[in-house]
Amino acid sequence: DGGITQSPKYLFRKEGQNVTLSCEQNLNHDAMYWYRQDPGQGLRLIYYSQIVNDFQKGDIAEGYSVSREKKESFPLTVTSAQKNPTAFYLCASSTGTGGVGYTFGSGTRLTVV
Amino acid sequence: KNEVEQSPQNLTAQEGEFITINCSYSVGISALHWLQQHPGGGIVSLFMLSSGKKKHGRLIATINIQEKHSSLHITASHPRDSAVYICAVVTYTGNQFYFGTGTSLTVIP
Repeated sequence: DGGITQSPKYLFRKEGQNVTLSCEQNLNHDAMYWYRQDPGQGLRLIYYSQIVNDFQKGDIAEGYSVSREKKESFPLTVTSAQKNPTAFYLCASSTGTGGVGYTFGSGTRLTVV
Repeated sequence: KNEVEQSPQNLTAQEGEFITINCSYSVGISALHWLQQHPGGGIVSLFMLSSGKKKHGRLIATINIQEKHSSLHITASHPRDSAVYICAVVTYTGNQFYFGTGTSLTVIP
């Protein structure tokens, strides 16, 4: 079955360390997205990519970096510059037009101690 | 500013009750999604609407484009419906979604 795989489900890191969250899709979707979810807030866009080797900053990109070297993969690195990295991170993908075929991953809960 | 507003924030219902969750938005959209998030965190898309009404099992979603309003109804609610329901809109200008803060539904047996 096609879908999005995020790993790991839970991740713990020490403050000051960079950490990379994995997102892989086998839906042949052109567009991929990273969102952050905090308690009591809506999902906020971190980065998105509409095509391989191209990506754009979202509303809260500071302290994060991404790459899109392959169509199926869109890893997110949470750097030590991110002030409050503890959150739930969701990856999504779509066909690229009007939200059609929008699919979410199961998420990674990152805790920085 | 919040482009998408949902109400209520929290909702507790007895099993069997009819439930309505409302969503209002302030931007021009090409589509509106209703999403369901279970305690484990993963999100699934329930409906994508651009006009009218859709039904899937006990779930019904409606949208009024002129009034910029959508509702999600659950008939004969069941404890397994307990989840957070999120309204999201995608704008004409691109693929970016705007999300509501979600409605946390608890259905008591």
